[in-house]
Amino acid sequence: GENVEQHPSTLSVQEGDSAVIKCTYSDSASNYFPWYKQELGKRPQLIIDIRSNVGEKKDQRIAVTLNKTAKHFSLHITETQPEDSAVYFCAAWGRTNFGNEKLTFGTGTRLTIIP
Amino acid sequence: SAVISQKPSRDICQRGTSLTIQCQVDSQVTMMFWYRQQPGQSLTLIATANQGSEATYESGFVIDKFPISRPNLTFSTLTVSNMSPEDSSIYLCGARPTVGEQFFGPGTRLTVL
Repeated sequence: GENVEQHPSTLSVQEGDSAVIKCTYSDSASNYFPWYKQELGKRPQLIIDIRSNVGEKKDQRIAVTLNKTAKHFSLHITETQPEDSAVYFCAAWGRTNFGNEKLTFGTGTRLTIIP
Repeated sequence: SAVISQKPSRDICQRGTSLTIQCQVDSQVTMMFWYRQQPGQSLTLIATANQGSEATYESGFVIDKFPISRPNLTFSTLTVSNMSPEDSSIYLCGARPTVGEQFFGPGTRLTVL
C-alpha cells in the first residue's frame, strides 16, 4: 500500500517569511494529493490540493508543487502570518492492497509563526 | 464542500461499555470513512463505510471491535465496543462528495476510564 513521509515534523518561521513542507509517496499510481491544516481542537481543513496531471497550483499565499517522477510534493506558504500556525498534513489518494481507495496521511508538520 | 456533523462531540465512558458515534452529511456522498487520531499524531484510517455492504477495515481494526453501519448515502455510525483506556482518542468521520476531495467531521473526543 501507499506510504507517505513528511518533513519536517516541526517548523518555526518568522512572520512574513516563507515556509516549505515536503512529502514523498511510494505508490506511483496515486493521483491526488491534498493538504490539510488542523488547528488545535479542530477538524482537519482542506486548504489546497493537486492532481497528478498538474505540476503546480496556487491559491493566494499557498502553493503546492508535484514532481511525479521523483514522487514528491511540497506545500509553500509565503508571507506567513500568525494565523498560519497549525499542524499541516499532506496526503496521497490511491488504492490499498485490498483494491479500495483511501487517503494515506503524512505524519504532520507543526508550523509555528514567530511574531 | 460537504457539511459534516458528528454526535456526540465528546464522551467519558467506563471500560467494558460501548459507544456509538453518528456522522451526518448534508448531501449524498459516495464514500464515508472513519479515522482515529491520537493526541499529537496523524490520522489513522479505521475503515471505509460502504453503503449497502459491509465496511472495509484496515489492518489492525476488526468488525467485532468497531462495527460500522451505513444505511444510506448521508449517514454512518461507528461503534467502539468493549472499550478500554487504550481506545481513548478522537474519532473523525470523513466524507468524499466529489472525486478526490475529502472533508471531515468535527470529531468525537472519547475518554475511557
